[in-house]
Amino acid sequence: DAKTTQPNSMESNEEEPVHLPCNHSTISGTDYIHWYRQLPSQGPEYVIHGLTSNVNNRMASLAIAEDRKSSTLILHRATLRDAAVYYCIPFGGSNYKLTFGKGTLLTVNP
Amino acid sequence: DGGITQSPKYLFRKEGQNVTLSCEQNLNHDAMYWYRQDPGQGLRLIYYSQIVNDFQKGDIAEGYSVSREKKESFPLTVTSAQKNPTAFYLCASSMGPGPNTEAFFGQGTRLTVV
Repeated sequence: DAKTTQPNSMESNEEEPVHLPCNHSTISGTDYIHWYRQLPSQGPEYVIHGLTSNVNNRMASLAIAEDRKSSTLILHRATLRDAAVYYCIPFGGSNYKLTFGKGTLLTVNP
Repeated sequence: DGGITQSPKYLFRKEGQNVTLSCEQNLNHDAMYWYRQDPGQGLRLIYYSQIVNDFQKGDIAEGYSVSREKKESFPLTVTSAQKNPTAFYLCASSMGPGPNTEAFFGQGTRLTVV
């Protein structure tokens, strides 16, 4: 399984962009990069995923490095509701295990 | 509404008793997962199933058992062999098999063993 490195915590101000980094240097060529977030006492929520190209959806953008060893989740205008733990997960391999790491705790200041 | 349902939300059991947590989905998903989360920690994978009648151990399967007799159901039994069963348990499903698909999570069952 590919290992990930994410900052333990980050802070942002409301309505400002947030860039959440993730290093996954051991990712295999067929692993997709998934991002999920979890609010306190709730189940995780899917945010976005991609393989090689940058991806956009209504929640966020995902920028994937050309060598695929790192990626960045971009929240274009943070709101208080975006305060959560964000998990970056390389997902694929031969057995399709969706394995979570420790994630990044994002705090959004009003 | 389509989704994934875990019941009950809170569950209390006495030490030494087996307990089964329910997970049902009506999304027609092939893959289902069970996770455990302890306070202040990330999710740890217990068991997962990519297709009916087949499942694999995750990272912390000892003391747990599962079955996958129907596509929509993936119950988890916490046995008396699990040394620290008190935790927040989360079930997920995805269209699967394969990684180009998002996973949906239930709202979790908080199990307390006294």
